[in-house]
Amino acid sequence: QQQVKQSPQSLIVQKGGISIINCAYENTAFDYFPWYQQFPGKGPALLIAIRPDVSEKKEGRFTISFNKSAKQFSLHIMDSQPGDSATYFCAASKETSGSRLTFGEGTQLTVNP
Amino acid sequence: EPEVTQTPSHQVTQMGQEVILRCVPISNHLYFYWYRQILGQKVEFLVSFYNNEISEKSEIFDDQFSVERPDGSNFTLKIRSTKLEDSAMYFCASTPEFTDTQYFGPGTRLTVL
Repeated sequence: QQQVKQSPQSLIVQKGGISIINCAYENTAFDYFPWYQQFPGKGPALLIAIRPDVSEKKEGRFTISFNKSAKQFSLHIMDSQPGDSATYFCAASKETSGSRLTFGEGTQLTVNP
Repeated sequence: EPEVTQTPSHQVTQMGQEVILRCVPISNHLYFYWYRQILGQKVEFLVSFYNNEISEKSEIFDDQFSVERPDGSNFTLKIRSTKLEDSAMYFCASTPEFTDTQYFGPGTRLTVL
């Protein structure tokens, strides 16, 4: 019940296109849903995060859509750029300070110029 | 901008040897974590640490693992007798109070031969 499922495993889009990555969770106690971006040889870096009291959050070209009833959330990258090429992880945690992050399997995004 | 630092960046050891991975969390952060990422797999939680004690640990964090905050700045992960399957990237992370955002370090690649 702690799992977070992420798809697709890999994604190739053209520059200017929309990248969409999906995640689903099982544990209804999860209350915080961040997306992390990871470049090769680097640690994960927080990209954007959402709590279940809103259905959408937008920061620049990055948008999280959240469906509490379906226990699903997704990351949309608008106007995808080659510099967005990285591995993206969704994650979830309980809203308690110091709670563990449970990560999805990761999506390797390649944006072709 | 403050960041989490980790040393060494790469550690090679023989099976059965003890290793200590070091982390310097961001100053004034109160929660500290270790995660690991086996090559090509998702990031997995190992342990969280708060107020000088373990607050949560995963099933991976068995008696071979220990953590310590020996002074006001360092946070260490010790593996007493390394196994081949301990080969992974180990990430340290930290969180300030009153937020869920976990800031990750660049990682230490541990190779057990």
